[in-house]
Amino acid sequence: AQSVAQPEDQVNVAEGNPLTVKCTYSVSGNPYLFWYVQYPNRGLQFLLKYITGDNLVKGSYGFEAEFNKSQTSFHLKKPSALVSDSALYFCAVRPLRSTGTASKLTFGTGTRLQVTL
Amino acid sequence: SAVISQKPSRDICQRGTSLTIQCQVDSQVTMMFWYRQQPGQSLTLIATANQGSEATYESGFVIDKFPISRPNLTFSTLTVSNMSPEDSSIYLCSVVGPSTDTQYFGPGTRLTVL
Repeated sequence: AQSVAQPEDQVNVAEGNPLTVKCTYSVSGNPYLFWYVQYPNRGLQFLLKYITGDNLVKGSYGFEAEFNKSQTSFHLKKPSALVSDSALYFCAVRPLRSTGTASKLTFGTGTRLQVTL
Repeated sequence: SAVISQKPSRDICQRGTSLTIQCQVDSQVTMMFWYRQQPGQSLTLIATANQGSEATYESGFVIDKFPISRPNLTFSTLTVSNMSPEDSSIYLCSVVGPSTDTQYFGPGTRLTVL
């Protein structure tokens, strides 16, 4: 069975500082990894994904994520945080080679990012 | 990406009643998913809805409680039946976008059961 761990319930960072939101995963075979963001009273918005290739993936709003196979991690990063980045962030995984109902995503518990002035 | 809308956006319902949530996509998609997000929790998959066949339910979810319809490739409904306060959640529709393996989510339906 696949699983995702987001070890931090909340991450606090000052505006302008770099941020990291951690994610580790467990899946059979190669992973298909995603980050989503949820703003208050909104649905989930897709940020970025990793399939294969370059371990550093760039996504929306200046976010990027680094895939590390040996550590089974997919940490979300941004060089300079903004107050508007404050939201709930979810990491998700599915097996790369899956079809039908097996292609369902498994989500982490979410990390609340709080960026302050 | 796919554009997904849900109706209603929120509702307050009485215990014992049922609510049907609609999900409309702007393009034809093969697979649609229904998730539940309980207060302060992560997302839990309820079922996968495929056009022309019965929905596939995850462990802990049953068709009698969460009947799903998928009449065509752009539309699905989820009914929350015989509601109790424990059903108070955000219900999200999701699709795998055309020509991509990325799942996109609707804005969600915030349900409160009194």
